[in-house]
Amino acid sequence: GAVVSQHPSRVICKSGTSVKIECRSLDFQATTMFWYRQFPKQSLMLMATSNEGSKATYEQGVEKDKFLINHASLTLSTLTVTSAHPEDSSFYICSAREGGNYGYTFGSGTRLTVV
Amino acid sequence: RKEVEQDPGPFNVPEGATVAFNCTYSNSASQSFFWYRQDCRKEPKLLMSVYSSGNEDGRFTAQLNRASQYISLLIRDSKLSDSATYLCVVNIAGGGADGLTFGKGTHLIIQP
Repeated sequence: GAVVSQHPSRVICKSGTSVKIECRSLDFQATTMFWYRQFPKQSLMLMATSNEGSKATYEQGVEKDKFLINHASLTLSTLTVTSAHPEDSSFYICSAREGGNYGYTFGSGTRLTVV
Repeated sequence: RKEVEQDPGPFNVPEGATVAFNCTYSNSASQSFFWYRQDCRKEPKLLMSVYSSGNEDGRFTAQLNRASQYISLLIRDSKLSDSATYLCVVNIAGGGADGLTFGKGTHLIIQP
């Protein structure tokens, strides 16, 4: 079946630094990539949607200059958390859809801790 | 009002019992419905899609009531391995480019 590889699975960084999270679709072309964030005991919240080759669409309340999304190819999308702060500590997870395909494939998630 | 509401639980259920979860959604334009399972600190995994006619997959039965905007999941003969958080998920576009909207999840603990 479809697989999305996400890494790193866990990262600890200092406040003020930037962290890049990668998601790769291994055996299909991810026309659309969704980025979610999940705080403890909360639901996954959609942060942004990106289509290959175009700018991401951010959900209300998500700062586009802080969470940089790049979807330059059909198999790779990245999320960069810039100038990270402790309140950015969360579980970040991507989900990919192949064009015209109904299913969503999730990456394994990245647990970010900002100290 | 939250878009997708679930009872967070936890539901503590003895092994072999039947357990049912419910979920309500607020957006009447929602077109696709799913139950996902999420284990602790892991990504969500699709358990089953939910169809208007109701559908069954082994021990799992899902029902959708569009008029009441209500979705249910029934687990029969529960196993220890069923312990997880069950997420009710809807999609407005029904297969389009929009992301999924997740409920907070219902925590299920199957006890031996």
